[in-house]
Amino acid sequence: KQEVTQIPAALSVPEGENLVLNCSFTDSAIYNLQWFRQDPGKGLTSLLLIQSSQREQTSGRLNASLDKSSGRSTLYIAASQPGDSATYLCAVIGNDMRFGAGTRLTVKP
Amino acid sequence: SAVISQKPSRDICQRGTSLTIQCQVDSQVTMMFWYRQQPGQSLTLIATANQGSEATYESGFVIDKFPISRPNLTFSTLTVSNMSPEDSSIYLCSVGFGSSGNTIYFGEGSWLTVV
Repeated sequence: KQEVTQIPAALSVPEGENLVLNCSFTDSAIYNLQWFRQDPGKGLTSLLLIQSSQREQTSGRLNASLDKSSGRSTLYIAASQPGDSATYLCAVIGNDMRFGAGTRLTVKP
Repeated sequence: SAVISQKPSRDICQRGTSLTIQCQVDSQVTMMFWYRQQPGQSLTLIATANQGSEATYESGFVIDKFPISRPNLTFSTLTVSNMSPEDSSIYLCSVGFGSSGNTIYFGEGSWLTVV
């Protein structure tokens, strides 16, 4: 059974800092890996999707990498802003979809 | 892409009652998933509901408590039966879409409070 771990559980940074969120998974037989954002009281927003054949995807200030063989993905956020404050979830898609517990990010003005 | 509509969006339910959540997708999809997110916790997969087969439940979830229907490729329901306050959660429907069926989209969620 796939297990997904996200580190750190919580992170607080000053505005403007670059940061990295980590996601690890135990079974490398995956189709995709997807990063989501969840704002308090709201649903999920998809940020980036990485196909299993890809190594990274970029969207604006976000860059996600995938190393299937080592079971790791990172989400890099450049020049963080207070509006980036949210919980970030990684989901590993194989025969089903498994979520990590999330990283709760706070960006202080 | 896929647009997913969930109903109800919110509800307050009496203890011991049952509530059915509907999930409607604007495209035909093979894979549908139901998740629960209890307050302060991450998403937990309840079951996978593929059209034409019985739903597959995760450990800790049983069909008597969370019966699921999947009558066609665009619709599914999840019933939360005999509710207790511990069932107060967000319930999310998601679908696998795309050529490999594995780009995931979520509904907005159904926020249930059991009193």
